[in-house]
Amino acid sequence: AQSVTQLDSQVPVFEEAPVELRCNYSSSVSVYLFWYVQYPNQGLQLLLKYLSGSTLVKGINGFEAEFNKSQTSFHLRKPSVHISDTAEYFCAVTEGGAGSYQLTFGKGTKLSVIP
Amino acid sequence: SQTIHQWPATLVQPVGSPLSLECTVEGTSNPNLYWYRQAAGRGLQLLFYSVGIGQISSEVPQNLSASRPQDRQFILSSKKLLLSDSGFYLCAWTPLDGVEAFFGQGTRLTVV
Repeated sequence: AQSVTQLDSQVPVFEEAPVELRCNYSSSVSVYLFWYVQYPNQGLQLLLKYLSGSTLVKGINGFEAEFNKSQTSFHLRKPSVHISDTAEYFCAVTEGGAGSYQLTFGKGTKLSVIP
Repeated sequence: SQTIHQWPATLVQPVGSPLSLECTVEGTSNPNLYWYRQAAGRGLQLLFYSVGIGQISSEVPQNLSASRPQDRQFILSSKKLLLSDSGFYLCAWTPLDGVEAFFGQGTRLTVV
């Protein structure tokens, strides 16, 4: 069975500072990895995804993440955050293979950008 | 382009009342459909998924049920709501041959 751990439930950071949101996963097979962002009372929006190929993945809004298979991690980074990045971020994993793709989510990390 | 609609956006229901949340997808065929629940501090929990009309898989035993009467329609129901059913419910879909999930705007359900 797959699982996702987001080590930090809340991350405060000053505007224009860099940020890293951590995500570790466990799975016995190959996986696809995702980061989603959720603004208050809204659905989830995909930031970026890793399916295969380059381990450094670039997404929207200046975010990027690096897949590290040996450490089973997929940490999200941004070199300079803005107030508008304040939101909750979810890491998710699904296992490769045919059929329905059921995402397993971490519990989320609330990013608060301080002016 | 594909879109997903979920309604209502907010709902306040008394304990013991029935529930019906609806989700429809446009612009695609044969999507995989999902219902997730998000409770405070607990992340997102997959409740049901469907790979076709009338095909429903339940991930957790609970007071809820799901149905898929049409290819692009997914309904979440309950006969009698419990206080513990309160939460934020999200519908999502993935393409038949894809892995990326697209989410609706969610329904905030408060059971009082």
